Amino acid sequence: NAGVMQNPRHLVRRRGQEARLRCSPMKGHSHVYWYRQLPEEGLKFMVYLQKENIIDESGMPKERFSAEFPKEGPSILRIQQVVRGDSAAYFCASSPARTGDTGELFFGEGSRLTVL
Amino acid sequence: KNEVEQSPQNLTAQEGEFITINCSYSVGISALHWLQQHPGGGIVSLFMLSSGKKKHGRLIATINIQEKHSSLHITASHPRDSAVYICAVLSYQLTFGKGTKLSVIP
Repeated sequence: NAGVMQNPRHLVRRRGQEARLRCSPMKGHSHVYWYRQLPEEGLKFMVYLQKENIIDESGMPKERFSAEFPKEGPSILRIQQVVRGDSAAYFCASSPARTGDTGELFFGEGSRLTVL
Repeated sequence: KNEVEQSPQNLTAQEGEFITINCSYSVGISALHWLQQHPGGGIVSLFMLSSGKKKHGRLIATINIQEKHSSLHITASHPRDSAVYICAVLSYQLTFGKGTKLSVIP
């Protein structure tokens, strides 16, 4: 049973390009969470998705950032027109139910974005 | 908004020492997670607590709901325990502490 898979593990982009980060949750998990870890900062919640629905995007910047979790395929965090401040590690986590119900949460290895 | 404070920020210990990392939070929660992050690596969930105490190998986690405080203990520490330990509390969503960087010296 594979864990949460994130790719790419490392991504380098120039300012103004687009970054796409993918997350495949654990088998049987339909809840996906994205977190961002800025250098020397703690993890911050970005967005919570269930299959085909965004449940809570209160932590995600209103511009340039979007997330989806389609019926088929991985969840994708998309950052348009990247800026240097977007350089961070982006972690995905999945759970079989909303974390408030079970507390179970499994993290991926993270995707490290560097914007030149 | 829940504030999560961890102490100490940095901790250096000799191999074999008993280690304690503390976490305090400001509002009521339904659960608390202790996470481990190795440099450049992913995040592993060590414990999820809503009350009392849990033990896994050399790791022990306790929580006092009334005092809004949790501790993570490592007995007989080993260099492979060197990592950042993160406390995260769950109310509506997860709020994370900034982590405690532990270095265990042989």
